[in-house]
Amino acid sequence: SYELTQPPSVSVSPGQTARITCSGDALPKQYAYWYQQKPGQAPVLVIYKDSERPSGIPERFSGSSSGTTVTLTISGVQAEDEADYYCQSADSSGIVVFGGGTKLTVL
Amino acid sequence: EVQLVESGGGLVKPGGSLRLSCAASGFTFSNAWMSWVRQAPGKGLEWVGRIKSKTDGGTTDYAAPVKGRFTISRDDSKNTLYLQMNSLKTEDTAVYYCTTEIVVVVAATPEYYFDYWGQGTLVTVSS
Repeated sequence: SYELTQPPSVSVSPGQTARITCSGDALPKQYAYWYQQKPGQAPVLVIYKDSERPSGIPERFSGSSSGTTVTLTISGVQAEDEADYYCQSADSSGIVVFGGGTKLTVL
Repeated sequence: EVQLVESGGGLVKPGGSLRLSCAASGFTFSNAWMSWVRQAPGKGLEWVGRIKSKTDGGTTDYAAPVKGRFTISRDDSKNTLYLQMNSLKTEDTAVYYCTTEIVVVVAATPEYYFDYWGQGTLVTVSS
């Protein structure tokens, strides 16, 4: 079955740039989507179609794609960005897949 | 304002059944594809399944772990989504989220993602 692989954790200091990767064989053919989830809350879409930002999402969130890897970049990380981040895609039959999630810690 | 409110969660014994509901408002429910996504305690997100709008056939798709045990349905007259869960297992213990699913076709390839989420309802399967 199709899998998306993320690092379990990423740590950065406030003001620095955080990069969270997501790898999957189908990513060159399918877009990736990113969700932010804070403790006790529902996920929130922060990036769609690899690099598009929904309205209301700060400009410091951006996304990029290269081959089988997509990257969520948070520039000028703030304390409020500490959360779990999940990438998501789908296989050719429409079965949705999530990455295992990355815990972003702001030191 | 879009609102999705799940209900029906609770404690159930292994092998038992439970039906979750999701009341939707703030958008045209009948036109929406809807999905259920779950999250086991301390774990990541897992897609459960979807139901398409009646305009798009009203059909359902399920993830392998729940296929044959779970059934998604909708009542467009009540703006409500349902998840009927049978033959429950301890590994079905999770918070279950109702979501709106966006489907777009890009270069002849369908793309799927989720824009609005409910706050979730906890299902605990334990003896």
